[in-house]
Amino acid sequence: DGGITQSPKYLFRKEGQNVTLSCEQNLNHDAMYWYRQDPGQGLRLIYYSQIVNDFQKGDIAEGYSVSREKKESFPLTVTSAQKNPTAFYLCASSNQREGLVTGELFFGEGSRLTVL
Amino acid sequence: AQSVTQPDIHITVSEGASLELRCNYSYGATPYLFWYVQSPGQGLQLLLKYFSGDTLVQGIKGFEAEFKRSQSSFNLRKPSVHWSDAAEYFCAVVPYQAGTALIFGKGTTLSVSS
Repeated sequence: DGGITQSPKYLFRKEGQNVTLSCEQNLNHDAMYWYRQDPGQGLRLIYYSQIVNDFQKGDIAEGYSVSREKKESFPLTVTSAQKNPTAFYLCASSNQREGLVTGELFFGEGSRLTVL
Repeated sequence: AQSVTQPDIHITVSEGASLELRCNYSYGATPYLFWYVQSPGQGLQLLLKYFSGDTLVQGIKGFEAEFKRSQSSFNLRKPSVHWSDAAEYFCAVVPYQAGTALIFGKGTTLSVSS
């Protein structure tokens, strides 16, 4: 079945540690996204990528890093510089044409990160 | 600033009653419009979308939404709510031919009472 797979579903981290969240898609979508979700805040865009080896910062990129070495994969690293990393992280993908969204986003099941 | 507003943070509806969730946006041109639903601890599922054409859009699970250009609104409706509809609902927009990512409202939590 086509879809987006995020792992791990739950992750605990000590302060000062970097962690990497995995996101893989087999929908053949060009664009991939990372959103952060906090209660009452909706979804806020962290990073997005429209093509392999290229990505752009979203609204809240500070303390995060990404890579896009393969079309199917868009891992997110939460670095120790992120001051409040405890949140629910959602990866998504979509079709695009000439760099613009042309359809809906398809979401993974999310990864919940808790900093101890 | 461009934004998406969902005025109701939390709504409680009796099972079998009708539902309307509000969404307003502020963009110069008509954007692409979406409604998503999220169960606790899960990802988001698309309910329906509007790109152009008929302003009344039918979606999954018996939901529909109406685009009203004059009011910059895209309200979600369901004639008869089921207990399984309890979830969080998000309105999202992407500027027409100018958007690289969806912009989400803060969500409305729906509770269903028996």
